[in-house]
Amino acid sequence: SSELTQDPAVSVALGQTVRITCQGDSLRKYYASWYQQKPGQAPMLVIYNKNSRPSGIPDRFSGSSSGNTASLTITGAQAEDEADYYCNSRDSSGNHLVFGGGTKLAVL
Amino acid sequence: QLQLQESGPGLVKPSETLSLTCTVSGGAISRNSYSWGWIRQPPGIGLEWIGSVYYGGSTNYNPSLKSRVTISVDTSKNQFSLKLSSVTAADTAVYYCARIDTSGYYWYFDLWGRGTLVTVSS
Repeated sequence: SSELTQDPAVSVALGQTVRITCQGDSLRKYYASWYQQKPGQAPMLVIYNKNSRPSGIPDRFSGSSSGNTASLTITGAQAEDEADYYCNSRDSSGNHLVFGGGTKLAVL
Repeated sequence: QLQLQESGPGLVKPSETLSLTCTVSGGAISRNSYSWGWIRQPPGIGLEWIGSVYYGGSTNYNPSLKSRVTISVDTSKNQFSLKLSSVTAADTAVYYCARIDTSGYYWYFDLWGRGTLVTVSS
């Protein structure tokens, strides 16, 4: 399968911890990367290689993977974390890239 | 600091060919560790990978778009381009170009352009 599945929407109270998940057969073979997208902006890489963060990404963002599920965890969510989050990986063939449908995170 | 910038017409007529160019500045496009890709996002919808090209010219395309897509690279201009033929209203989207780190087993989009809206309408 070349599909990645995400919950459409998730909410978290300010300062609490939230986990955003991504499921797909290709995740048994390839780690997901994660992107944050705020309205009117381009996506921005927040996690790659399972749990690596680009320079400038706060350490409250972390990634993990088990079986066919990848997770993005935000520990101590801030108001500025409210955004859409997308997972991405190579597909099962290894030749193509596929995105999840995205999760809209609301910080309450 | 490497930057990517999309350019091209913002309005394309149905059945015609959409053409966009991504100009890479601040670094060479001819690097072994990267490929260069196009991603699109219809209004209010999620991201879709269109395809990618290496500086040597080899390409990978989304199977759902493969029959209509051509991606090419011009290393002399530090640019890569997208052509999408026989467009319909369903191809209306913000089109992003991005760099893809392919140096390891896991690939990811590490740099993005700001995106350009292309509307398909007569």
